[in-house]
Amino acid sequence: GNSVTQMEGPVTLSEEAFLTINCTYTATGYPSLFWYVQYPGEGLQLLLKATKADDKGSNKGFEATYRKETTSFHLEKGSVQVSDSAVYFCALSAGANSKLTFGKGITLSVRP
Amino acid sequence: NAGVTQTPKFQVLKTGQSMTLQCAQDMNHEYMSWYRQDPGMGLRLIHYSVGAGITDQGEVPNGYNVSRSTTEDFPLRLLSAAPSQTSVYFCASSRGAVQPQHFGDGTRLSIL
Repeated sequence: GNSVTQMEGPVTLSEEAFLTINCTYTATGYPSLFWYVQYPGEGLQLLLKATKADDKGSNKGFEATYRKETTSFHLEKGSVQVSDSAVYFCALSAGANSKLTFGKGITLSVRP
Repeated sequence: NAGVTQTPKFQVLKTGQSMTLQCAQDMNHEYMSWYRQDPGMGLRLIHYSVGAGITDQGEVPNGYNVSRSTTEDFPLRLLSAAPSQTSVYFCASSRGAVQPQHFGDGTRLSIL
């Protein structure tokens, strides 16, 4: 079956630090890959996506590249801000019914 | 735009009680899903629907029922609440297969 593995958290960084959050996946066929973000007390919001190998998704300074050879979709940001503090979920969608499979999520805290 | 609206936002139940969590979307999306979010578990799919009159089970369907009589609404019913169902529940909708999902703000449910 499909699965998503995220690095263990939580992660605490200082403002302007570089961020990498690792995500690897197992899926049949050719999944679409997503990063969702959940701010405190809110639902999940789509951060970025990639639908085929070598695609790079980007939004709000965050980037992730769909690497089929390593089955990875790592999230990066060059300079984090306090406002980036949230829970980040890697997810994949495979098959005709748009079912999302989520990783366990990782909490990012950015201190001033 | 309202997007995906979930009610109630908070609910406390006693073991054995039943209740319905409401979910409505105004985007004319065909796909709707219910997830539960538990600490360290990420989001797990309970039930989903690919259109009015069509529902199917997700990863953790036991103890929950759904129906989809209209495109807009997708209620989740707890038949006989158990403490193991204490969780945060999210409803989501999307335009179609492999499209990003739009999430509601969640319902925080406690079963005593």
